[in-house]
Amino acid sequence: NAGVTQTPKFQVLKTGQSMTLQCAQDMNHEYMSWYRQDPGMGLRLIHYSVGAGITDQGEVPNGYNVSRSTTEDFPLRLLSAAPSQTSVYFCASSAYRVGPYEQYFGPGTRLTVT
Amino acid sequence: AQKITQTQPGMFVQEKEAVTLDCTYDTSDQSYGLFWYKQPSSGEMIFLIYQGSYDEQNATEGRYSLNFQKARKSANLVISASQLGDSAMYFCAMREGLSPIKAAGNKLTFGGGTRVLVKP
Repeated sequence: NAGVTQTPKFQVLKTGQSMTLQCAQDMNHEYMSWYRQDPGMGLRLIHYSVGAGITDQGEVPNGYNVSRSTTEDFPLRLLSAAPSQTSVYFCASSAYRVGPYEQYFGPGTRLTVT
Repeated sequence: AQKITQTQPGMFVQEKEAVTLDCTYDTSDQSYGLFWYKQPSSGEMIFLIYQGSYDEQNATEGRYSLNFQKARKSANLVISASQLGDSAMYFCAMREGLSPIKAAGNKLTFGGGTRVLVKP
């Protein structure tokens, strides 16, 4: 199992550009989520999904879109990048069937917006 | 709203000694789960240990134990016999509910983290 994979590992964008961060998991997990980690801070939830076709907003959703067409994939779209979106982005997944339902994290994408 | 507080931004510990990382939480829920994650310098998030709010025994996983004091709303992580590889950021996190409710999701609220540096 590859677990949770994210691409790209690093990305530099100019203000106003758009891009999609990719996330995939091969563990057949129902739950997937996106977090961002700003320097010196903990992770904050952007969006999450409880299954294919179902998504919802987390704590900091503004400026981001998500969709979930398959169980495996959960891409995060930045619509018009802003310097405030400079951060490290983590995708995570977890199962609903086996406790304690801990989340498995991908390696992260480091995004810089200039 | 839930809140997790980690008051120690950084600490040093001597190799082979034990270290306690503080975590306090605020929630009005009776059912919740508490997690600790490790983030080494390479950046990935590694799950360490879990405690459910109704668990009577403190959780243990190898050299990690969780000192759960429900009345004080604290969930401190104890690392025994520290090793150089324990140098990392450590995050405390909380989830509403003991299991992910499909409609609510498996949302985690994180604290700000504690950086641990193990000295040889």
